[in-house]
Amino acid sequence: EAGVAQSPRYKIIEKRQSVAFWCNPISGHATLYWYQQILGQGPKLLIQFQNNGVVDDSQLPKDRFSAERLKGVDSTLKIQPAKLEDSAVYLCASSLSAGEHTGELFFGEGSRLTVL
Amino acid sequence: GDSVTQMEGPVTLSEEAFLTINCTYTATGYPSLFWYVQYPGEGLQLLLKATKADDKGSNKGFEATYRKETTSFHLEKGSVQVSDSAVYFCALSDPRAGTALIFGKGTTLSVSS
Repeated sequence: EAGVAQSPRYKIIEKRQSVAFWCNPISGHATLYWYQQILGQGPKLLIQFQNNGVVDDSQLPKDRFSAERLKGVDSTLKIQPAKLEDSAVYLCASSLSAGEHTGELFFGEGSRLTVL
Repeated sequence: GDSVTQMEGPVTLSEEAFLTINCTYTATGYPSLFWYVQYPGEGLQLLLKATKADDKGSNKGFEATYRKETTSFHLEKGSVQVSDSAVYFCALSDPRAGTALIFGKGTTLSVSS
């Protein structure tokens, strides 16, 4: 079974530039998550999708971050404009739908962003 | 809101030593508890889980017991190996509410031979 795929693995940009990250979840997983992991900290949820609807985006800085999952499968997370404090690893995860899953999330390898 | 607190690292041990990493939680509802591990250069992966009070999760020699009375889920291993060197994250979620995982800050374990 293929795992969660993310790209790019690494990205370096100047502050005020934009960047986009892509995620393809495990086939059949209805729920998709984006987490931000700053060095030395635990992952923090940015947004949770159930199919193509948003379940929780309360911690997403909406003035600069946006995310979409138009067809209920893959997803894109965008940052525009980037700030120095956005330097982090962006993790995508997926799980079975809320009514079925046991709480276990399957994570991709992450996209490491460095903002200079 | 719900939260997880785990012991600060790094934890440095010799091979075959006993390991304990403390984790306590605050939650409303009926959370499930998890330990995830992140090996160097790899993604987060589930190590073990427990879905109700008094359950014991176990995997690869690691164990953790869901203690509702002390709101704890401490990770233990009787004899660590160099290959156990990684970052360990305690986490919780409420599957019935469909909530996402909430993570602790992580504890770095370094095992030397």
